[in-house]
Amino acid sequence: RKEVEQDPGPFNVPEGATVAFNCTYSNSASQSFFWYRQDCRKEPKLLMSVYSSGNEDGRFTAQLNRASQYISLLIRDSKLSDSATYLCVALLSGGYNKLIFGAGTRLAVHP
Amino acid sequence: DAGVIQSPRHEVTEMGQEVTLRCKPISGHNSLFWYRQTMMRGLELLIYFNNNVPIDDSGMPEDRFSAKMPNASFSTLKIQPSEPRDSAVYFCASSLAEKGYTFGSGTRLTVV
Repeated sequence: RKEVEQDPGPFNVPEGATVAFNCTYSNSASQSFFWYRQDCRKEPKLLMSVYSSGNEDGRFTAQLNRASQYISLLIRDSKLSDSATYLCVALLSGGYNKLIFGAGTRLAVHP
Repeated sequence: DAGVIQSPRHEVTEMGQEVTLRCKPISGHNSLFWYRQTMMRGLELLIYFNNNVPIDDSGMPEDRFSAKMPNASFSTLKIQPSEPRDSAVYFCASSLAEKGYTFGSGTRLTVV
């Protein structure tokens, strides 16, 4: 079983739609979580951190449920420029900040 | 800051040849990571260094792969001999403490 699992998609949505991505992690010792965004043929870039209390950054909302070992990302009012692959990431404990990446969920926003 | 710098951006080589990928982390970052990305397996952590010391190389596929970090501003990932199944995008990333990673632009390796 992979340590971080995501639905690969693709999610095809029209502009203006709300879309949600889910992710589960297997290592209960994971300390912190992140969402990264990766555009085609580019490197991954940090989108936002994920906190138990939930956090919002403009149209993006991230949520963590430690009891269920579940992470979510909600994108409201989708834009064409949101089209990318979204990677769910867990930071493992142990003294070093080792990030484990999910395989990513592909989003395609169409006019 | 110029960010994490990787070279070359693209590399095409014949099977059996030695390949060396290079990375310059962000100045002041104390952790450096090498990842490999393929369509089939996604992003895989190969090895990471903390303060220039290799901490975990359990992701290195086999003895053909080796990585070094002789100083805080330079790291190499070497494949010898290379095989077609090594074809992938290799990313280097650096970070400082608990902050997120910054990735380089990657090296797209094709072994024919």
